[in-house]
Amino acid sequence: KNQVEQSPQSLIILEGKNCTLQCNYTVSPFSNLRWYKQDTGRGPVSLTIMTFSENTKSNGRYTATLDADTKQSSLHITASQLSDSASYICVVSAESGGGADGLTFGKGTHLIIQP
Amino acid sequence: NAGVTQTPKFQVLKTGQSMTLQCAQDMNHEYMSWYRQDPGMGLRLIHYSVGAGITDQGEVPNGYNVSRSTTEDFPLRLLSAAPSQTSVYFCASREPNTGELFFGEGSRLTVL
Repeated sequence: KNQVEQSPQSLIILEGKNCTLQCNYTVSPFSNLRWYKQDTGRGPVSLTIMTFSENTKSNGRYTATLDADTKQSSLHITASQLSDSASYICVVSAESGGGADGLTFGKGTHLIIQP
Repeated sequence: NAGVTQTPKFQVLKTGQSMTLQCAQDMNHEYMSWYRQDPGMGLRLIHYSVGAGITDQGEVPNGYNVSRSTTEDFPLRLLSAAPSQTSVYFCASREPNTGELFFGEGSRLTVL
């Protein structure tokens, strides 16, 4: 069964500090992996997409990595800001199968940035 | 460009009542889907549609009906609400080339 596991479940850090969120998956055959940011009371918004051939991709202070061999991805946030407080959801897409629509969702990491 | 619009944002129902959550998108995406989000459970797929006239069940379809008469609209119907359907519901459409999901702002439903 395709699965996506995220860690930690929740994380509290001080403003200005860096942090790394983890996503491990067993989705096969792998197509791509996307990180979404969900602010409280809002819908998720895509941050970045990783395909099989990509190891690292940056979007401002967000840097995603992908190790297709170990089936692991990370999202690194540099110099955190209060606006980074949100849930971060890892979603893996299968070439076929996976969820009914080919997507397998992680349960998310809830990040709190304290001033 | 409005993206994905959901209504209502909040709704309180009594057990056994029926209601429809509305979802509309203006990006001409063929694929649309409904999810529910519960604490500790993440987003779970209820129903999805790959185009007008075509719908299919997701992971947790029981108690919900959908229809897709146009590309723009994908309403979710609760025929007889139960307390277990208390949740936050998200509608999404999917960009065909990148696969990116565009979510609405969510509808918070409480069933008493």
